[in-house]
Amino acid sequence: ILNVEQSPQSLHVQEGDSTNFTCSFPSSNFYALHWYRWETAKSPEALFVMTLNGDEKKKGRISATLNTKEGYSYLYIKGSQPEDSATYLCAFSSGTYKYIFGTGTRLKVLA
Amino acid sequence: SAVISQKPSRDICQRGTSLTIQCQVDSQVTMMFWYRQQPGQSLTLIATANQGSEATYESGFVIDKFPISRPNLTFSTLTVSNMSPEDSSIYLCSVSTDYRANVLTFGAGSRLTVL
Repeated sequence: ILNVEQSPQSLHVQEGDSTNFTCSFPSSNFYALHWYRWETAKSPEALFVMTLNGDEKKKGRISATLNTKEGYSYLYIKGSQPEDSATYLCAFSSGTYKYIFGTGTRLKVLA
Repeated sequence: SAVISQKPSRDICQRGTSLTIQCQVDSQVTMMFWYRQQPGQSLTLIATANQGSEATYESGFVIDKFPISRPNLTFSTLTVSNMSPEDSSIYLCSVSTDYRANVLTFGAGSRLTVL
């Protein structure tokens, strides 16, 4: 059974702190790793699609790295703001339209 | 990317009743996906709905419990039948309009609480 794990489950940080979380996924049959941000009462929103080992993607203060050989991805948020409060999901794909999601990291940024 | 309207956004239901969730997409899409997130669990694919054919269900999900309709390329419904408290979850529909990257676009979800 393929498993995707995210850590930590939840995180509280102060405004201005930088933070990071981890997504672990199977290192075999890798096709893509997606990151989504899911704010309460809103739709999950795609942040990054990562496909190549060593990929680094950046969007504003948020960045992500990918290691397909060891099966992990890190998401970094620099200078966290209250509007970054959300659940961050990663999803693993082996090439089909079926994704295996992690349980998410719930981030709360305190003003 | 597509815009998906999903309703209801939330509901409180009695045990034994059924509820239908609707998703409307602002563009034509071949496949629509229905996901469930139970409390503390990951998003799990229930089924894939194609227009003009029966939905394809994932292991652990059956048509009698989660009947799906897909009457055209912009609309789908998911019914949660004979509900029990274990069905209390967030249900989301999604589509992939970027076929190369397979990025998913989601509705805002339907949060169901079964008493």
